[in-house]
Amino acid sequence: AQSVTQPDIHITVSEGASLELRCNYSYGATPYLFWYVQSPGQGLQLLLKYFSGDTLVQGIKGFEAEFKRSQSSFNLRKPSVHWSDAAEYFCAVAPPQYGNKLVFGAGTILRVKS
Amino acid sequence: DADVTQTPRNRITKTGKRIMLECSQTKGHDRMYWYRQDPGLGLRLIYYSFDVKDINKGEISDGYSVSRQAQAKFSLSLESAIPNQTALYFCATSDTSGGYEQYFGPGTRLTVT
Repeated sequence: AQSVTQPDIHITVSEGASLELRCNYSYGATPYLFWYVQSPGQGLQLLLKYFSGDTLVQGIKGFEAEFKRSQSSFNLRKPSVHWSDAAEYFCAVAPPQYGNKLVFGAGTILRVKS
Repeated sequence: DADVTQTPRNRITKTGKRIMLECSQTKGHDRMYWYRQDPGLGLRLIYYSFDVKDINKGEISDGYSVSRQAQAKFSLSLESAIPNQTALYFCATSDTSGGYEQYFGPGTRLTVT
């Protein structure tokens, strides 16, 4: 079935440690790819996006993501996590065959321990 | 002021009541969307509209209806609310000429008792 998978429901990292959140998709053609963050009580904010070109994309708040076509993955990374990064992170894809509507993963909740 | 606003932000209602959630945007975008968020399920698309005369069902439209009153306004109605419609509801917008990224409102937390 076509889907977006975020295999980690919860992740806990220490402040200052590195972070990687995983995202895999299963659509035939490469879709547009996005990462959103949802802070408690807030709406979703776009962190970064990939459409084409350089497979390593930079976003806001020090985040980056790497697109790997061979693995159908778009993992989000940050070299040093801050306590304010605690939030829920959503990977989303816009498959061409869906009229470029967004399909979301289930989300990963990030906890940051001091 | 926020670009995408939703009213109300919180609502508690009883089973069988009719509820309307409203969304307004000042971004000038032509496309608008309604999603619901449930824990562990991410966001699921309820309805979307690519312009004022265009309304389309999403993956979970049963029990919901929408109205696009103007380019800037998109309302979601629950004709007869039921408890499993308890969720966080988000409105979003996007621009045809943009890169398909969507911009979200702050959400409406709806509880149906």
